Amino acid sequence: KNQVEQSPQSLIILEGKNCTLQCNYTVSPFSNLRWYKQDTGRGPVSLTIMTFSENTKSNGRYTATLDADTKQSSLHITASQLSDSASYICVVSPNTNAGKSTFGDGTTLTVKP
Amino acid sequence: DVKVTQSSRYLVKRTGEKVFLECVQDMDHENMFWYRQDPGLGLRLIYFSYDVKMKEKGDIPEGYSVSREKKERFSLILESASTNQTSMYLCASRPGGRNQPQHFGDGTRLSIL
Repeated sequence: KNQVEQSPQSLIILEGKNCTLQCNYTVSPFSNLRWYKQDTGRGPVSLTIMTFSENTKSNGRYTATLDADTKQSSLHITASQLSDSASYICVVSPNTNAGKSTFGDGTTLTVKP
Repeated sequence: DVKVTQSSRYLVKRTGEKVFLECVQDMDHENMFWYRQDPGLGLRLIYFSYDVKMKEKGDIPEGYSVSREKKERFSLILESASTNQTSMYLCASRPGGRNQPQHFGDGTRLSIL
């Protein structure tokens, strides 16, 4: 069964600090891995998307890495801001049925002043 | 910017009612999706559509149906609403091609009393 596990479940950091969120998956065959940010009461917004051949992708202060051999990804947030407080969701798509991606349960990040 | 619009942010209905949730996207995307999001369970796929009048079951289609008569509009129907269908419903669209991000609406929080 395809699974995506995210850790930690929740995280509290001080404004200006860096943090790293983890995503481990068992989805196979692999097509792509996406990170989304979901603010409270809003829909998820895409941060990065990586295919098998990509091992890092940046979007401003967000940098995602992918190790397709160990089936692990991380999302690193640099110099956190209060607006980074959100849920971060890892999504992995197989290289088969294009519609059935597997979603992680998300990591809830709280940035405090 | 891609815009995915869901007709209602909040909706309250009674058990047994037929409920329609509407979703419209403005970017001519081929693929559209309906998810529900519950605490601790992440996003779960209900139905998706890869073309007009085409639909595929997701992971939890029971108690739901969908309609896609026009490319830009994807409707989710609860045939006879039940209390266990109280949830946040998210619609998404995606262009053709597997390695593209999904674009989400802001969700409809549906309560069934």
